[in-house]
Amino acid sequence: DAGITQSPRHKVTETGTPVTLRCHQTENHRYMYWYRQDPGHGLRLIHYSYGVKDTDKGEVSDGYSVSRSKTEDFLLTLESATSSQTSVYFCAISERYAATNTEAFFGQGTRLTVV
Amino acid sequence: QQQVKQSPQSLIVQKGGISIINCAYENTAFDYFPWYQQFPGKGPALLIAIRPDVSEKKEGRFTISFNKSAKQFSLHIMDSQPGDSATYFCAASGSEKLVFGKGTKLTVNP
Repeated sequence: DAGITQSPRHKVTETGTPVTLRCHQTENHRYMYWYRQDPGHGLRLIHYSYGVKDTDKGEVSDGYSVSRSKTEDFLLTLESATSSQTSVYFCAISERYAATNTEAFFGQGTRLTVV
Repeated sequence: QQQVKQSPQSLIVQKGGISIINCAYENTAFDYFPWYQQFPGKGPALLIAIRPDVSEKKEGRFTISFNKSAKQFSLHIMDSQPGDSATYFCAASGSEKLVFGKGTKLTVNP
């Protein structure tokens, strides 16, 4: 398995509180991604990073921010958690950008519940 | 907007049967089309992928068929086995983003 660790694996938080999810990789891959998975919606890209301090938005970025200060760590922050952000969050990494026939490796996921 | 449309949402087949999952895309800039397999409680994992310069790719019991003019591609699982029961996602990329279909939950009955 690719060396990707997501933490925490499970979290319950209250509406309005900030939450930070961490993705740590040991593969030294350049690209890192955050997805959310919801029934009926599949996997939707929240944000991605193409290098240290280089990030861009995905299709569902509202209410989320990211940071990447080191190659190995990609943080996802819910600035003020809402019930609509209850989901399973997956981090993924790839060596080169996805257009060059490169496999994306996924972490085990973080189940976040906002009450 | 949904850039990759996947169908069916769920599929039940008997052991030994053929499973077929279809996807359609809109963005002609996409040039890489992978399929991911996800078991419950796990992250998705790459199953097989194709580029648009070929019309078919086969790996074991898994085959991708690609129709560039129709902007459609499909996954065929031959001789489906109960161990193939999982959720399958088609995906497409043409830039730094990888976009996914909504997924198909496949159940293979013994």
